[in-house]
Amino acid sequence: GAVVSQHPSRVICKSGTSVKIECRSLDFQATTMFWYRQFPKQSLMLMATSNEGSKATYEQGVEKDKFLINHASLTLSTLTVTSAHPEDSSFYICSAREGDLNTEAFFGQGTRLTVV
Amino acid sequence: AQTVTQSQPEMSVQEAETVTLSCTYDTSESDYYLFWYKQPPSRQMILVIRQEAYKQQNATENRFSVNFQKAAKSFSLKISDSQLGDAAMYFCAFLNRDDKIIFGKGTRLHILP
Repeated sequence: GAVVSQHPSRVICKSGTSVKIECRSLDFQATTMFWYRQFPKQSLMLMATSNEGSKATYEQGVEKDKFLINHASLTLSTLTVTSAHPEDSSFYICSAREGDLNTEAFFGQGTRLTVV
Repeated sequence: AQTVTQSQPEMSVQEAETVTLSCTYDTSESDYYLFWYKQPPSRQMILVIRQEAYKQQNATENRFSVNFQKAAKSFSLKISDSQLGDAAMYFCAFLNRDDKIIFGKGTRLHILP
């Protein structure tokens, strides 16, 4: 299948700082990218959906000013956690898809964020 | 609200045996997609199998097959000839017409050697 690369795989940051997570589709053009958050031993919760060149659509309860999503090109989307706090510590996963919902979405390997 | 329910938080199966993971979902839509994803310890989500709701035939991928009962809104995953590499968290998921994937809480599968 297609490859989605997420970077970094692990990051530790100080409370109050911002951290950027990158999601790249390596061998296809991702018209749509999704960002998920996964708490320990829990399921994936969709945070937002982004289409290339458009503003991201955030799920209810997700602060758009805190979780900034940029999908500036067909191969790259970024999630920036601004003014991070310990409660933002989590596992963040992106997925990317070329085409509409009839096509398969591929997942990145995830980013473990720890805010200290 | 659309929901996906996996009633088995953990399951164990002997190597080479067959195991079935349960999943039920709730929706008023008639056209949708269902998935089973595998999340091994590496945390990489891997698509195991996919089913289009309009297809009556159950999807099959090698040792993995589903039992899709649309009227009952049931979508179970059968793993035959279980292998050690099958040990993982398995998520049942539903893709709705708003293009959002809704995941169940997952079932952790242990393979006993």
